[in-house]
Amino acid sequence: DIQMTQSPSSLSASVGDRVTITCRASQSISSYLNWYQQKPGKAPKLLIFAASSLQSGVPSRFRGSGSGTDFTLTISSLQPADFATYYCQQSHSAPYSFGQGTKLEIK
Amino acid sequence: EVQLVESGGGLNQPGGSLRLSCAASGFTVSSNYMSWVRQAPGKGLNWVSVIYSGNNTFYAESVKGRFTISRDNSNNTVYLQMNSLRVEDTAVYYCVRVHRYDAYFDYWGQGTLVTVSS
Repeated sequence: DIQMTQSPSSLSASVGDRVTITCRASQSISSYLNWYQQKPGKAPKLLIFAASSLQSGVPSRFRGSGSGTDFTLTISSLQPADFATYYCQQSHSAPYSFGQGTKLEIK
Repeated sequence: EVQLVESGGGLNQPGGSLRLSCAASGFTVSSNYMSWVRQAPGKGLNWVSVIYSGNNTFYAESVKGRFTISRDNSNNTVYLQMNSLRVEDTAVYYCVRVHRYDAYFDYWGQGTLVTVSS
């Protein structure tokens, strides 16, 4: 099974900051890496699929990159609506594992 | 508009059974992959199960042999039959549509809470 490791587990930042979250797979997953945003009490929302493709309706300040085992999610200029928990997930092969999550908090 | 509406959650005792339902609209479950993902209170996301278009299924090791995913094409509904429930199965269960080619989870239901406690 493929293990996904996210870092950091939590992050404090201010509106307007640029932040980066990293995700590492235990083996190569090509570009089968997706990012989700979850706000308290809500279902997760797809942000980025196939490592770097922006889901329809997602602001362009979100950018995904990477391939193989190392991936990043970058938010170029944090907005108040971006404070949430972010998860990476591999869709290379079942079981479709998630990272442990990164909680992005307001500084 | 794609919608997924889960139901069937509730309080159950260890060793009990429960069946979750996921009513889909805006697309047909028969031609899509469907999955269940769960989230224990205050914890992260954990993938549970998937059903592929040919009715092939796959399960997380933690639920294998206890949970069964299925679908009813006539009702456009996906199910998760949960047997031999354990306290650690307590979670919000989300029904998700799985993209057919890249297997990302593009639509999520609102979730249904399953609590296993004596």
